[in-house]
Amino acid sequence: NAGVMQNPRHLVRRRGQEARLRCSPMKGHSHVYWYRQLPEEGLKFMVYLQKENIIDESGMPKERFSAEFPKEGPSILRIQQVVRGDSAAYFCASSLPLQDEQFFGPGTRLTVL
Amino acid sequence: RKEVEQDPGPFNVPEGATVAFNCTYSNSASQSFFWYRQDCRKEPKLLMSVYSSGNEDGRFTAQLNRASQYISLLIRDSKLSDSATYLCVVNLLSGTYKYIFGTGTRLKVLA
Repeated sequence: NAGVMQNPRHLVRRRGQEARLRCSPMKGHSHVYWYRQLPEEGLKFMVYLQKENIIDESGMPKERFSAEFPKEGPSILRIQQVVRGDSAAYFCASSLPLQDEQFFGPGTRLTVL
Repeated sequence: RKEVEQDPGPFNVPEGATVAFNCTYSNSASQSFFWYRQDCRKEPKLLMSVYSSGNEDGRFTAQLNRASQYISLLIRDSKLSDSATYLCVVNLLSGTYKYIFGTGTRLKVLA
């Protein structure tokens, strides 16, 4: 059973470009969570999604960031017009319904030049 | 006050030592608790869940004190491979599940 998959593992963007991060949950998991980890800091919750629904986006910046989890395909975290402060590791996690244990993907390291 | 607080360390201990980490949380509505391990630049991996009755897994023991709102992790007979950052995680059920992470405690086991 493959674990949570994220791609790309490393992404370099110039200021003003768009970044798209993808997450495929573990087989059978319908709940996806995105976290951001800034250098030398802890993980911060961004958004919680179920298929075709955003359940909790209280950790998402109000502008430039969006997330989706379509009926088919991976979850996407999209960052428009990236700035240097967006450079971080972005981790995705998934869980089974009604289970609170989350399993993490390897992360995408975004570098904004 | 941070929602989840940990001593960042680093804790430098010799092989074979016993080391303990504490973590405090501020929200009494916290539902469940975990210790995760994170190796440098990698994803967090679940080490163990923490139950009110306390639980043990080999050399690792976790305790929860709801009255004082803290959890602890004890590592006995430390190995070099235990060197990592240990993350305290609180699952806050406020409508939905939401993990709140501490910033982590760094452990380095020395030969």
